[in-house]
Amino acid sequence: EVEVVESGGGLVQPGGSLRLSCAASGFTFSDHYMDWVRQAPGKGLEWVGRTKMTPNNYIVQYAASVKGRFFISSDDSKNSLYLEMNNLKSDDTAVYFCVVEGTGEAFDHWGRGTLVTVSS
Amino acid sequence: EFVLTQSPGTLSLSPGERATLSCRASQSIDTSYFAWYLQKPGQAPRLLIYGTSFRAAGISDRISGSGSGTDFTLTIKRLEPEDVGVYYCQQYEYRGPPITFGQGTRLEIK
Repeated sequence: EVEVVESGGGLVQPGGSLRLSCAASGFTFSDHYMDWVRQAPGKGLEWVGRTKMTPNNYIVQYAASVKGRFFISSDDSKNSLYLEMNNLKSDDTAVYFCVVEGTGEAFDHWGRGTLVTVSS
Repeated sequence: EFVLTQSPGTLSLSPGERATLSCRASQSIDTSYFAWYLQKPGQAPRLLIYGTSFRAAGISDRISGSGSGTDFTLTIKRLEPEDVGVYYCQQYEYRGPPITFGQGTRLEIK
């Protein structure tokens, strides 16, 4: 059974940094694109970025709102995905979901999310 | 800027009725990369429809998707209490416009 579990959320001051982790199991991690999606309190869904390791390349893409501040990486040997968040702003306060792209490249499996609160 | 606009914002219907949810894109998109999700209160979203009209595994045949170009529709027949939640449309063709979600339609069952 496919499972993804996020961790690393918490309270951080504006301008600070935080690293989220996503532990994946139940599927071949290197075969799938992995995404981060966030949801501010009471708001809708916002795509953050995605990544996949291919035989010839390492693909990473970001939403414009986080490009240059957030960095996605993965460790296929640990079946883990990471989100390094820098220069955090209050607008980054959200639940961050780790997602597996699967059926038809849609967002097939979601974790429960981890809450990041940016506040002084 | 690429935008997906969902309507209505809130839909309140009775059990057994049919729900029709709309999603309009600001520019034409590839139907192969259009999806619908349902987020129930306190839960993560769940994939319902991918590729505009294909049901994800385990999704009831009461739910169907259609559309092309800029206009897409999610139809839920014979509404049941378990259908409540917020429905999101999504464009996920990364080579085109940014991966984008609509703002959501809240479905309430009277």
